[in-house]
Amino acid sequence: AQTVTQSQPEMSVQEAETVTLSCTYDTSESDYYLFWYKQPPSRQMILVIRQEAYKQQNATENRFSVNFQKAAKSFSLKISDSQLGDAAMYFCAKGGADGLTFGKGTHLIIQP
Amino acid sequence: DTGVSQNPRHKITKRGQNVTFRCDPISEHNRLYWYRQTLGQGPEFLTYFQNEAQLEKSRLLSDRFSAERPKGSFSTLEIQRTEQGDSAMYLCASSLGAGTMTGELFFGEGSRLTVL
Repeated sequence: AQTVTQSQPEMSVQEAETVTLSCTYDTSESDYYLFWYKQPPSRQMILVIRQEAYKQQNATENRFSVNFQKAAKSFSLKISDSQLGDAAMYFCAKGGADGLTFGKGTHLIIQP
Repeated sequence: DTGVSQNPRHKITKRGQNVTFRCDPISEHNRLYWYRQTLGQGPEFLTYFQNEAQLEKSRLLSDRFSAERPKGSFSTLEIQRTEQGDSAMYLCASSLGAGTMTGELFFGEGSRLTVL
């Protein structure tokens, strides 16, 4: 069975600072996709960023970037210049043919 | 609003009762997914449809659970003889093509079930 592990149940960062959320996963596949989703309180989950495993270049979306280490099966999310609106649950997920496998999530708190 | 719509948003029921949730996906999306999310956990895959065909069911989907997607449009998730362990948020998502492989899933706001 595929597993996705997020070892940080909660993280706190000062507004405008940088924070990194960790994620590791287990797979025997060579080609797959990895995702970070954001779930604000009482709001739907939205995609933050995705990474194709065969691409060596780390994905970047504005203030969000990933550090993808394929050999280590690690996929961390870096949020630069943290904003109050970034406060949410963040889920790491691995794509498969039938569905996404999610980690347990990291609750990100932004301190004003 | 053309996003994924789920109804009802909240449902409180007594143990043993049946409940049904509805999901209206984004209109052009051919894939529809159901996930369950309990407190402190990430979403867990339940089942998915490609058009009207149910292609995969998780072992989490016991015989008390049934999902349909008639005509490949909206979908319903029914839980019969509810148990307290069924209390959770039920999330629906849709995608165009194999969204879990290459693209993104668009999620609804979820239907929260509380079984007393």
